[in-house]
This record gives sequence, structure tokens and C-alpha cells, in this order.
Amino acid sequence: KAGVTQTPRYLIKTRGQQVTLSCSPISGHRSVSWYQQTPGQGLQFLFEYFSETQRNKGNFPGRFSGRQFSNSRSEMNVSTLELGDSALYLCASSLFGQSSYNEQFFGPGTRLTVL
Amino acid sequence: GESVGLHLPTLSVQEGDNSIINCAYSNSASDYFIWYKQESGKGPQFIIDIRSNMDKRQGQRVTVLLNKTVKHLSLQIAATQPGDSAVYFCAENQPYNTDKLIFGTGTRLQVFP
Repeated sequence: KAGVTQTPRYLIKTRGQQVTLSCSPISGHRSVSWYQQTPGQGLQFLFEYFSETQRNKGNFPGRFSGRQFSNSRSEMNVSTLELGDSALYLCASSLFGQSSYNEQFFGPGTRLTVL
Repeated sequence: GESVGLHLPTLSVQEGDNSIINCAYSNSASDYFIWYKQESGKGPQFIIDIRSNMDKRQGQRVTVLLNKTVKHLSLQIAATQPGDSAVYFCAENQPYNTDKLIFGTGTRLQVFP
């Protein structure tokens, strides 16, 4: 069974640009959650999608958005990039959702560097 | 942010010894806890979980202990191996906080031969 895949793995952008990251969950998983990981703040929850609907959202500005498609693949978008957006962006998939007592499987992440 | 951003504590152990990694969680209403392992260049990997109606759960070479009185979680790794070297995170599910997982800062485990 293929794991969670994320593309691209590495990305370099400049301030003010926008970026779209992609996540393909494990086949059959309907929940995709996105996290930002930085050395200073650790792992922080961005949002969760379940069956194409945003089910939960963390405390990030509106520049961070996402969506999920009918095949459960998800994208997240960051507009007007800031230097502080440099981070590892992780997505995780699960059958029932991040807080439903079931295992979440993480992808390898996309390393975003904003110059 | 919701997770505490501090310098990563490090635990150094000799191969073959037992390791104990601790985690203090924040919300007494949290009902589900998970330990993750993250190796360099990879995403977090599920190790073991425990619900709040239990105080101990065992897996292969790992044991999680939950002390709800002091809001403390620990991960015990028996006979630590070099492949156990990684950063370990605990996560708590806060059902009354829009039902999402909150991650701890993480502990780096270094295993020496």
C-alpha cells in the first residue's frame, strides 16, 4: 500500500509570491490534515479536510488556505509569502480524522524556503 | 502558536539501555494521546497511542504510561537501539478545543554504541 506522498519535496520562493503544495493520501483515507513544522514553534496544525469539507482549522492567517478533491487529494496554498513561512509542511492522512482514535500517517513533507 | 516553541531537549543513552521520554500535556480534558517518532528528513511516524481511560499500554519494545493526576505522559523504550535515534513527539487530543491534536515540542533521543 503506497504511503502519503507530497509534492514538491523542496521549494524556494521569494517574499510576496504564492505557493501551492500537494498531498496524496493513502488510498481509502478520507481525512487529510496539514501541519507546519518549524524549529521555533514545533508542529502546528493548519487545517483538516474530510470528504472535501474543511472540518477543522488552526490559528493561521487567511493567507493559508486549502482544499480537498473528490479523490481525497488535497492542496494547500499560501499567498503573499513571508520570510516566516519558511518551514516543513506536513500532511497526514487517516481513515476517520485526526482526533478519531485512529492512526494518522504522515508524508515526508515539503520544505519551503522563502527568500 | 499552540505548541510551545522551546529548545529541543536531548536524551542520550547507550545502546541496550532503556530510554524514558517524558511529556507534560496541557489539558485535563484531553482524551487521547499519541507518541510519534520523527527521523531526520522524514515525517512523523506513529509509535503507540493510549486513551484516557487507560494508564498503561504496551507495544513492541515500547510502553506508554499515562498519569492523568499530574497530566504526564511517558514513553519507555526497552533495549534502545541505534535505529531509535530520532525526535519523539507526544500529541494530545483536546475534544473541547475544536477536537484537534496538539503536539508537544519534542525530545531528541541519541543512542550511542
